[in-house]
Amino acid sequence: RKEVEQDPGPFNVPEGATVAFNCTYSNSASQSFFWYRQDCRKEPKLLMSVYSSGNEDGRFTAQLNRASQYISLLIRDSKLSDSATYLCVVNVLEKYSSASKIIFGSGTRLSIRP
Amino acid sequence: DTGVSQDPRHKITKRGQNVTFRCDPISEHNRLYWYRQTLGQGPEFLTYFQNEAQLEKSRLLSDRFSAERPKGSFSTLEIQRTEQGDSAMYLCASSLVGLAGPRSYNEQFFGPGTRLTVL
Repeated sequence: RKEVEQDPGPFNVPEGATVAFNCTYSNSASQSFFWYRQDCRKEPKLLMSVYSSGNEDGRFTAQLNRASQYISLLIRDSKLSDSATYLCVVNVLEKYSSASKIIFGSGTRLSIRP
Repeated sequence: DTGVSQDPRHKITKRGQNVTFRCDPISEHNRLYWYRQTLGQGPEFLTYFQNEAQLEKSRLLSDRFSAERPKGSFSTLEIQRTEQGDSAMYLCASSLVGLAGPRSYNEQFFGPGTRLTVL
């Protein structure tokens, strides 16, 4: 089982629709959580961090459920420019060291059609 | 451009050859990461440095892979005796970690990557 799992999609939705992605993680030592966006043939860029209380940034809302070990991303009023791959990222603390491990999910592809 | 830069952007090599990639992070960033990404997958963590110290290495990083960051600035990733399975995009990222310590996480800024093709 992968440590971070995402539905690969693709999600193909009309402009203006609301779309939601989930991401599950298996390691209970996971400390912090993020969503990154990656456009085709480009490098990943941070979209938003995910806080325990949930957080919103414009049309984007992120939620964390530690008990069920999943995070979600909701996009409202989707735009053509939202078409991209959305990567779930988890920071896991290493138990016996001072280091941490960053784990990316495989990504969920989103395509917004006019 | 003051972002993360990587060189070369593309590398084609024959199986068995050695290759070396370079990453120049954002100048004030103290943490530097290497990832490998194949088509349809997210970036796979390889290793990271805090200044010049290599803090973590993935089990994916076989003995053929080595990374250095000798002066805590730029970093190199070398792959010896390349195999066709090494073909991928190699991404470098950097971040600034402050007082929160080495187990904290700050936004990573990625470079454009080096695309490696092993024939």
